[in-house]
Amino acid sequence: DAGVIQSPRHEVTEMGQEVTLRCKPISGHDYLFWYRQTMMRGLELLIYFNNNVPIDDSGMPEDRFSAKMPNASFSTLKIQPSEPRDSAVYFCASRLGLAGPYEQYFGPGTRLTVT
Amino acid sequence: AQSVTQLGSHVSVSEGALVLLRCNYSSSVPPYLFWYVQYPNQGLQLLLKYTSAATLVKGINGFEAEFKKSETSFHLTKPSAHMSDAAEYFCAATLQGAQKLVFGQGTRLTINP
Repeated sequence: DAGVIQSPRHEVTEMGQEVTLRCKPISGHDYLFWYRQTMMRGLELLIYFNNNVPIDDSGMPEDRFSAKMPNASFSTLKIQPSEPRDSAVYFCASRLGLAGPYEQYFGPGTRLTVT
Repeated sequence: AQSVTQLGSHVSVSEGALVLLRCNYSSSVPPYLFWYVQYPNQGLQLLLKYTSAATLVKGINGFEAEFKKSETSFHLTKPSAHMSDAAEYFCAATLQGAQKLVFGQGTRLTINP
């Protein structure tokens, strides 16, 4: 299995621009998670999906952030407009819901820099 | 609310020495527990997991962890550190039936030659 795939690996953009991060979960996994990692706040769960449906988005920082999962093999995290404080590494993770005990498999991350 | 605490944001040991990374959880019932490792510029990789079976859990790369309910701890150890062990280590927990993982703040392990 190829593991969780994220693209791009690095993104540099200017403040105010729209940014779209992409994730392909492991085939067959029915849970997908988006995390943000910063030095100050560590790992934060932003949102997670089950069977393509958003279950908990309480970690999404504000309305500038949105996430979608149009099908079982693809998800996007969009920031519009982007701000310098959004600079972080964004991880996608997936897991198989029926298989305990709930370990998640992480992608390599997207390093976002907003100037 | 469930929480995970890792004691020591930075641990430094000599090559060949014992590695001990501490993790304590707070939960009314024993959770499922995990240790992940993150190498520079990479995602998190599962090292080992506790599933309420054996309390001593062996993982990859020679690491192991012991679940101690009385101490609400799940410390990670390795008898002899190797330079390649230098990374950030995260302890995480979840409850049966829950979907979210609760992560500790991470411990950066440095290996001195």
